[in-house]
This record gives sequence, structure tokens and C-alpha cells, in this order.
Amino acid sequence: GQQLNQSPQSMFIQEGEDVSMNCTSSSIFNTWLWYKQDPGEGPVLLIALYKAGELTSNGRLTAQFGTTRKDSFLNISASIPSDVGIYFCAGLNAGGTSYGKLTFGQGTILTVHP
Amino acid sequence: DADVTQTPRNRITKTGKRIMLECSQTKGHDRMYWYRQDPGLGLRLIYYSFDVKDINKGEISDGYSVSRQAQAKFSLSLESAIPNQTALYFCATSDSDQGGNQPQHFGDGTRLSIL
Repeated sequence: GQQLNQSPQSMFIQEGEDVSMNCTSSSIFNTWLWYKQDPGEGPVLLIALYKAGELTSNGRLTAQFGTTRKDSFLNISASIPSDVGIYFCAGLNAGGTSYGKLTFGQGTILTVHP
Repeated sequence: DADVTQTPRNRITKTGKRIMLECSQTKGHDRMYWYRQDPGLGLRLIYYSFDVKDINKGEISDGYSVSRQAQAKFSLSLESAIPNQTALYFCATSDSDQGGNQPQHFGDGTRLSIL
């Protein structure tokens, strides 16, 4: 089946630093999504990307849908302590036998030191 | 907010017991999903339903069953629980459109421990 490789697996940074994480796939997706999960809660949608090459921002977060449709990255600028959590990429198919199904990356655990 | 509500939030039970996890949503979405989360593995799809009469297996459906009782309700059952089903379970919903590109929205999860 489809797999997403998300890196890095974990990051330890100082408050104020910028963060970058990415996902790559062996196959094409029609939509890329980035979620954040806080302890004891479900994943919350941060950014959705619908077109190859699309660059979208949400406050201090910026994400891009790779032109090959097989990768995406998420940047967080000027990190703050509340950015701590697990960040997941997810690819969504809009056709074939995988229609409407999400494939998740393994997650990036972000720790921000004050 | 509590658009997607899962009950119970925590459950400890014994091997061999039958367990039902429930999910209800107020978002009016047609599509509902059940995922399992294990450390280091992200979320994996167990079952999904695109409407009340539609049930589909995900990548790890063995040992699980589901019931879509109404548009707003989707329950997951473990007929005879085993310890390796200890995990976090998430319900999700999404709207339907012709393109199939609608993001999924998650509940807060059920932490299930099987002894």
C-alpha cells in the first residue's frame, strides 16, 4: 500500500527558532494535509493543500504541495512553547480504490525549549 | 468544540471481552472513519463509511467490526479483545464532494487498554 515517509521523527529546538519538516511518498496524492496533535487530543487540521505547487500559510505556518505531487513540507516560523506536539502529514486520494482515504506519515515530535 | 464525540474516553478491559466504542458527530458529514494510533506508526485506517448503507474495510480491519446506525453515529466493536489491540482509537468525519478532497476532522480519541 501507499506509504508516507515523514522526517524528522523528532526535533528539539529553542523558542524563536524556525522549524521545517517534510513528507515524501512513493505515489501521487491529490491533496496534502498537515495536522497537529496535542497530548490527550485528536489531530487538528492545520493546513490543507489542493494543487501541485500550492503554497499556503496559516499564521506562522507555511506549507507547500510539491510539484511532483509526491511530497510536501511544513515550516513553522518563530516557534513558541505552545507549538509543542506531534505534527502529521497526510495524503488524500480522490480516485481509484483509495478514494477518500487518508494515508498518514509517522509524525514529527516537536519539543520547544523556552 | 465537540463536533466529533467519542465515548468512552478511556477503557480498561480484559482479554476476550467484547467492547464497543462509539462516535457521534454534529457536523452533518456523510463520511465517517475509525483509526487506530500506535506509537511511531501514525494513524492507520480500520473501517470507513461513506453513508449509512456503506461500510468498507481499511488497512487493519481484522478483529474489528463496525456499525453505521445513522448518519451521525458510527460504532467500532472488538468482538473478542486481545492485548495487541491496546491503542488509541480515533473517529473522524469528512464532508462529501465530487472530488473526494475534503479533509477529515477527528474526535479526541479513546484510550483502550486490554489486559
